[in-house]
Amino acid sequence: DIQMTQSPSSVSASVGDRVTITCRASQGISSWLAWYQQKPGKAPKLLIYAASSLQSGVPSRFSGSGSGTDFTLTISSLQPEDFATYYCQQTNSFPLTFGGGTKVEIK
Amino acid sequence: EVQLVESGGGLVQPGGSLRLSCAASGFTFSSYSMNWVRQAPGKGLEWVSYISSSSSTIYYADSVKGRFTISRDNAKNSLYLQMNRLRDEDTAVYYCASRRSGGDYYYGMDVWGQGTTVTVSS
Repeated sequence: DIQMTQSPSSVSASVGDRVTITCRASQGISSWLAWYQQKPGKAPKLLIYAASSLQSGVPSRFSGSGSGTDFTLTISSLQPEDFATYYCQQTNSFPLTFGGGTKVEIK
Repeated sequence: EVQLVESGGGLVQPGGSLRLSCAASGFTFSSYSMNWVRQAPGKGLEWVSYISSSSSTIYYADSVKGRFTISRDNAKNSLYLQMNRLRDEDTAVYYCASRRSGGDYYYGMDVWGQGTTVTVSS
């Protein structure tokens, strides 16, 4: 199984800050990576698929990059509604696996 | 409106069984693969199972293989998860999810239900 490791596990940031979250796969997954946002008590929301493609309706301040084993999610200018937990997921092969999550908190 | 609505969660004793359902509406259910994803209290997301649109391809997480069975009824626009021999560690919110805006599972899941809670406890 492919293990996904996210870092950091939490980050404190202010509105307007640039935030970067990293995700590392235990083996190469090409560009088969998705990023999700989850708020408390809510279902996850797909932000990025295929490592760098923005899901329809997602603000352009979210961007993804990377291939192989190393990936990043960047929020260019953090907004109040962006405080949430973010997960990466490899979609290269079954079993599909998620990273442990990164909680973005208010500084 | 595209919608997935889970039901069937509840409290069950260890070793017991439960059947979850996911009702789809607002899209051609029979054309899309489906997944179950769960989240234990205070924990991260865990993919559980996948079923293709025609039910010809099915996958399970190792943690549930041999105990859980995914199925679907395209005539009823419904997805199911039969959970047997339940354990304490199966306690979680269970979500059904799908990729509807082009492609399949490899593009992530863009439609999610609200989740149904399963509690395994004596």
